[in-house]
Amino acid sequence: NAGVMQNPRHLVRRRGQEARLRCSPMKGHSHVYWYRQLPEEGLKFMVYLQKENIIDESGMPKERFSAEFPKEGPSILRIQQVVRGDSAAYFCASSPPLAGAYEQYFGPGTRLTVT
Amino acid sequence: AQTVTQSQPEMSVQEAETVTLSCTYDTSESDYYLFWYKQPPSRQMILVIRQEAYKQQNATENRFSVNFQKAAKSFSLKISDSQLGDAAMYFCAYRSVSNFGNEKLTFGTGTRLTIIP
Repeated sequence: NAGVMQNPRHLVRRRGQEARLRCSPMKGHSHVYWYRQLPEEGLKFMVYLQKENIIDESGMPKERFSAEFPKEGPSILRIQQVVRGDSAAYFCASSPPLAGAYEQYFGPGTRLTVT
Repeated sequence: AQTVTQSQPEMSVQEAETVTLSCTYDTSESDYYLFWYKQPPSRQMILVIRQEAYKQQNATENRFSVNFQKAAKSFSLKISDSQLGDAAMYFCAYRSVSNFGNEKLTFGTGTRLTIIP
């Protein structure tokens, strides 16, 4: 049973370009969470999605950031017109569609570097 | 909003000794989950141990145990017989259970644990 997959593992973008980060949850998991980790800091929640729905986006910056989790395919975190401050590790986690399921399984992260 | 505080940015321990990492949190909720995650140099987040707030018994996983003090809002992690492979960043995390949809994890700032051979 494959774990949470994220790609790419490393992504380099120049200022002003777009970054697309992909996350494939574990098999059978329909809940996806995105977190951002700035250098030397803890993880900060960004967005929580279920299939075709955004449940909680309270941690998402209001501009340039968007996320989706379509019926088919991976979840995508999209950052438009990247700036140096977007450089961070972005982690995806997933959990099963069970009431009371409390464990989130993390992917290996995507390290975004903006030059 | 919930907050999680880890007041020890760095800790070190001799191999085979015991070390305790501290975590405090602030919440107005009565039911919730608490976690300790380990992040080794590979940066993969690994769940070490979890505690349900409604359980009075402290969770234990092999060499890892917690001291959960609900009234004091304290959740410390004890690592016994420390091994070189325990060297990592350790994050304390909180998760609500009372509201459907409010399932995000709130993390502390982490404690970097060094194992001295």
